[in-house]
Amino acid sequence: DQQVKQNSPSLSVQEGRISILNCDYTNSMFDYFLWYKKYPAEGPTFLISISSIKDKNEDGRFTVFLNKSAKHLSLHIVPSQPGDSAVYFCAASPGGTSYGKLTFGQGTILTVHP
Amino acid sequence: EAGVAQSPRYKIIEKRQSVAFWCNPISGHATLYWYQQILGQGPKLLIQFQNNGVVDDSQLPKDRFSAERLKGVDSTLKIQPAKLEDSAVYLCASSLPPGAITAGYGYTFGSGTRLTVV
Repeated sequence: DQQVKQNSPSLSVQEGRISILNCDYTNSMFDYFLWYKKYPAEGPTFLISISSIKDKNEDGRFTVFLNKSAKHLSLHIVPSQPGDSAVYFCAASPGGTSYGKLTFGQGTILTVHP
Repeated sequence: EAGVAQSPRYKIIEKRQSVAFWCNPISGHATLYWYQQILGQGPKLLIQFQNNGVVDDSQLPKDRFSAERLKGVDSTLKIQPAKLEDSAVYLCASSLPPGAITAGYGYTFGSGTRLTVV
């Protein structure tokens, strides 16, 4: 039972263009969503998050959109840079006393070509 | 601010042997987590501590895995005896409590320990 899914194993974009990474979830109890970036031999690094009471959060080149009715979120990177090449994970957490129990998607490998 | 420290970085053991991993969270983070990441998959939560108490260990294979967090700071995760399917990266993370102002509640991962069971 995969509660968080990233259906695209990989994505390739040209430097300067937009990268859009998608994530779907099934559990209505999820209250908080996070995106992580991971380089080889390192732990995941926090990128951006969004609460279920919002539909958009922006931080520099990174924007996360949340569509609760569709149980879908996406990460937009504009403009994409070669240094953005990494594995991107979306993660979801319930709220309240269950906060912090992150459920991760399988990850999407992003490659940004110069 | 120092990050989450883990050791060792790599470990190779034979099946049926035992192994232990160590984690030191970010100072002030009361909540500590252990995750298992199998190659090609996302991290899976094994156990969550709040200070030195266990909040959730429902996904911890308790017949062979154990974890403790003495004095509410450092934590160790042990596997005994190891199986081939335990080969994975074991990640430790720590976070601030809900409601913290910091985006993402400061949820921070260590670099992990890569375990290979042969």
